[in-house]
Amino acid sequence: RKEVEQDPGPFNVPEGATVAFNCTYSNSASQSFFWYRQDCRKEPKLLMSVYSSGNEDGRFTAQLNRASQYISLLIRDSKLSDSATYLCVVDSYSSASKIIFGSGTRLSIRP
Amino acid sequence: ETGVTQSPTHLIKTRGQQVTLRCSSQSGHNTVSWYQQALGQGPQFIFQYYREEENGRGNFPPRFSGLQFPNYSSELNVNALELDDSALYLCASSLASGMGNEQFFGPGTRLTVL
Repeated sequence: RKEVEQDPGPFNVPEGATVAFNCTYSNSASQSFFWYRQDCRKEPKLLMSVYSSGNEDGRFTAQLNRASQYISLLIRDSKLSDSATYLCVVDSYSSASKIIFGSGTRLSIRP
Repeated sequence: ETGVTQSPTHLIKTRGQQVTLRCSSQSGHNTVSWYQQALGQGPQFIFQYYREEENGRGNFPPRFSGLQFPNYSSELNVNALELDDSALYLCASSLASGMGNEQFFGPGTRLTVL
């Protein structure tokens, strides 16, 4: 079993739709969680950190469920510019960092 | 632009050779992490350097080694290159080691091993 698992997609949704991705992690000691966005042939960029209480940034909402060991990302009113690969990231930092990326979920928004 | 730079941008090597990749961290950042990203996969954590010391390592063999310099720039060295080492190598700098620190990625070095 992979330490961080994501549905690879692709998710192909119309502009304006709401789309949600989940990401599961296996290490219950994981402490920090993030969503990164990666455009084609570009480097990953932080989309948002994921806090225990959940957090929202405009059209984006991230949730953490420690009991079931998953994080989620919800995108409302999707735009063409949201087309990208979304990477789930888990940091199991204790005495040293161990940063695990999921394989990514591809999202394609169609007009 | 993140302020993280990597060199070279592209590199072609043959199996068995050695390669050194370089990364300059964003100003004020003392932590650098290195990743390998194969096509269609997420970045795989190689290791992290914090104040010139290795501070965490992923599941990569010892032929992957690194350095961090007093100015916090970093090198990734790979010995005895194998075909499977062909990938995009990303470095990321962050303000400090530890939880919750955003990583700022450089544009990557694309390594091809023939």
